[in-house]
Amino acid sequence: NAGVTQTPKFRVLKTGQSMTLLCAQDMNHEYMYWYRQDPGMGLRLIHYSVGEGTTAKGEVPDGYNVSRLKKQNFLLGLESAAPSQTSVYFCASSHDFPELAGVYEQYFGPGTRLTVT
Amino acid sequence: AQRVTQPEKLLSVFKGAPVELKCNYSYSGSPELFWYVQYSRQRLQLLLRHISRESIKGFTADLNKGETSFHLKKPFAQEEDSAMYYCALLGKGAQKLVFGQGTRLTINP
Repeated sequence: NAGVTQTPKFRVLKTGQSMTLLCAQDMNHEYMYWYRQDPGMGLRLIHYSVGEGTTAKGEVPDGYNVSRLKKQNFLLGLESAAPSQTSVYFCASSHDFPELAGVYEQYFGPGTRLTVT
Repeated sequence: AQRVTQPEKLLSVFKGAPVELKCNYSYSGSPELFWYVQYSRQRLQLLLRHISRESIKGFTADLNKGETSFHLKKPFAQEEDSAMYYCALLGKGAQKLVFGQGTRLTINP
């Protein structure tokens, strides 16, 4: 099992450019998440999905869009990149029974380091 | 509102010394709490969950409902403990975790 994978690993964009980050998981998880990690701010949830075809806003959704056309994939899009979106982006997935805290766990990808100049 | 606060962004201790990473939470109910860790050049991973009452890599964490805290402790720090640590909360019926701001722990030789 590869677990959670992310592409690309690194990317440099100019202000105004667009791009899509891809997250894939092979654990048959229903839930998937996109976070950004910034120094001093910790992990902040951008968007998440509780199943194929569903998406929901997290804490910092502005400037991002997402799609979950297939259960195993969760795409994060930046339509017009801004320097404030320079960050490390993490994808995660989990099973769909969070009430079972004894086994609940989010599995994270390796991250994508994005720089917007 | 659900909130997790880690008051220390940076924590530095010497090898062999005790270490305590603080975590306070705000939640009206009984949450589930977790500690996640990110070692250098590795992905974020679960360290321990309070419901399991387990000790992982010598770390323990006790949920104190009166003080709404879930501090992570280890009696004797090791250099390999240097990492970024996140406290996280799962509310009842919630579909997502709420993370704290993280504490970067450095163990000095």
